[in-house]
Amino acid sequence: NAGVTQTPKFQVLKTGQSMTLQCAQDMNHNSMYWYRQDPGMGLRLIYYSASEGTTDKGEVPNGYNVSRLNKREFSLRLESAAPSQTSVYFCASSREDEQFFGPGTRLTVL
Amino acid sequence: QKEVEQNSGPLSVPEGAIASLNCTYSDRGSQSFFWYRQYSGKSPELIMFIYSNGDKEDGRFTAQLNKASQYVSLLIRDSQPSDSATYLCAVNESGGSNYKLTFGKGTLLTVNP
Repeated sequence: NAGVTQTPKFQVLKTGQSMTLQCAQDMNHNSMYWYRQDPGMGLRLIYYSASEGTTDKGEVPNGYNVSRLNKREFSLRLESAAPSQTSVYFCASSREDEQFFGPGTRLTVL
Repeated sequence: QKEVEQNSGPLSVPEGAIASLNCTYSDRGSQSFFWYRQYSGKSPELIMFIYSNGDKEDGRFTAQLNKASQYVSLLIRDSQPSDSATYLCAVNESGGSNYKLTFGKGTLLTVNP
């Protein structure tokens, strides 16, 4: 039982490049979330998916898109990366309101 | 904008002391409250949750909730150096199918041997 897994662990991009962050959970949870964490800013919700087939914007969705591929997988895409998107990205999942986090992806945009 | 406020710290306590972490929230309709621990470079880990007014104890940890004052706290008894971490308070405002959490910015706790 791996819980929530994320790939990659680290990534460096140049401004304007695109990439997809992958997240998967094996806990049969309905809801999944993407957060970013910046120094002094705490965890901020980017997008979430309350159930398979649905996605909604969070607090900071601009510059991102998501796909809930199936119940297990929820991906986050940066279409044209900007230096302001340098951050640590966490995926989480929950059955109800107890959220469990993946190990994170540290992204640097040059 | 729903807000969750925490003292950023750092809060420094000696080993064996009680560490007290505090959190206030703006949405009076908030239903459930969580404390996460985050070690440096790691992901947040759920350590306590509380839904009702009063105290909830789990080992060395006690969560306290006062909905009238919109205040939730975490007490750590017999603090250990391994408790040194950032503690995040999180609040969920609804009892329905929306399980979004609003997080505070965290309090850095240092336990000195």
